[in-house]
Amino acid sequence: AQSVTQLGSHVSVSEGALVLLRCNYSSSVPPYLFWYVQYPNQGLQLLLKYTSAATLVKGINGFEAEFKKSETSFHLTKPSAHMSDAAEYFCAVSVEAAGNKLTFGGGTRVLVKP
Amino acid sequence: GAGVSQSPSNKVTEKGKDVELRCDPISGHTALYWYRQSLGQGLEFLIYFQGNSAPDKSGLPSDRFSAERTGGSVSTLTIQRTQQEDSAVYLCASSLEVGEGTQYFGPGTRLLVL
Repeated sequence: AQSVTQLGSHVSVSEGALVLLRCNYSSSVPPYLFWYVQYPNQGLQLLLKYTSAATLVKGINGFEAEFKKSETSFHLTKPSAHMSDAAEYFCAVSVEAAGNKLTFGGGTRVLVKP
Repeated sequence: GAGVSQSPSNKVTEKGKDVELRCDPISGHTALYWYRQSLGQGLEFLIYFQGNSAPDKSGLPSDRFSAERTGGSVSTLTIQRTQQEDSAVYLCASSLEVGEGTQYFGPGTRLLVL
């Protein structure tokens, strides 16, 4: 079985500051890893995904994440926060052998201060 | 349509009543997933369909929950004899294939059981 842990249920950053959201996963087989963003009263939107190609993955809205197998981590970063980044972010893992059903972390809500 | 659509967007029902939630996946997507998002449990997998294969029902929380997918397209999630703990947002997602296919999410149905 797979599992995901997101450190910090809430993160507050100043506009223009670095955004760092932490995600650690557990999987007995090579996983696919995803970051999704959820704005209020909306569904989930894919930010980026790791599928065993490059370990540094670039996504939409200036976000990127690095897959580190030795640390079982897939942290999400953005160099400069914007007010529009205020949302909830979910890290997720899947494996093809299990039909790629997603296992999600608990989510991190990001607040951006002006 | 351009994306995954779900109906209704909101549903209020009385305890003990049955409800049906509908999902229209992206045209041509062979895989369809249902997830539930609740305050207490976070985001959790319920069931997925892949082509004509038997669905993976391993995430359904009880036998009051069932789902079907007709003609490989539209899916209906049915909850019988609803309980207050069924109150949640029910999200549907589809992907082009099970492989490493990205799952695209609908806006969800917000269910409130009184």
